[in-house]
Amino acid sequence: GAGVSQSPSNKVTEKGKDVELRCDPISGHTALYWYRQSLGQGLEFLIYFQGNSAPDKSGLPSDRFSAERTGGSVSTLTIQRTQQEDSAVYLCASGKGGGSNTGELFFGEGSRLTVL
Amino acid sequence: LAKTTQPISMDSYEGQEVNITCSHNNIATNDYITWYQQFPSQGPRFIIQGYKTKVTNEVASLFIPADRKSSTLSLPRVSLSDTAVYYCLVGGPNTGNQFYFGTGTSLTVIP
Repeated sequence: GAGVSQSPSNKVTEKGKDVELRCDPISGHTALYWYRQSLGQGLEFLIYFQGNSAPDKSGLPSDRFSAERTGGSVSTLTIQRTQQEDSAVYLCASGKGGGSNTGELFFGEGSRLTVL
Repeated sequence: LAKTTQPISMDSYEGQEVNITCSHNNIATNDYITWYQQFPSQGPRFIIQGYKTKVTNEVASLFIPADRKSSTLSLPRVSLSDTAVYYCLVGGPNTGNQFYFGTGTSLTVIP
């Protein structure tokens, strides 16, 4: 597709369940980011992938959060044993990687997670 | 990592020019300055990017002084549809490619 695609757009789950959020970046973009945005707040950096290199996981809030990026393209963010404080919009962004990564990122519409 | 500081909120009347300033005192030599716009229930959208001096596109202008410790996003003749949150972002390939968004500036355009 032409833009960054995220699914599902909305997810309601019960506390303690696991959830998977998917991001399909723009074709050819080697950089991929996950951010979290709680209601009325700014964006919180979670994780950064550059091609097939080991990801920068420094923003993941706990070991319940993990992410993978298969074949340098599609990424999945997994939250295990969800808690109510995990409720937020999870945003994915892609961009040109490596030395061309100056901060021009293209965002998806986000996945809104609600944990009951 | 360069931290950024912006005003939390601003109000402006329609038709006015709006200037939003971002402070980034510890910007690194090869860092770029990028501004984003975010509407409710949408992902942020790239507006403009610069390295030094002035950059202008069809949407906005970006002014960067010689010391690069701050930058100013200028929106000419704002309309109601410019009501959004505006984020300043600083970073680049030589500072780990980590791009941290601050809390942004919530701009409200008043009729």
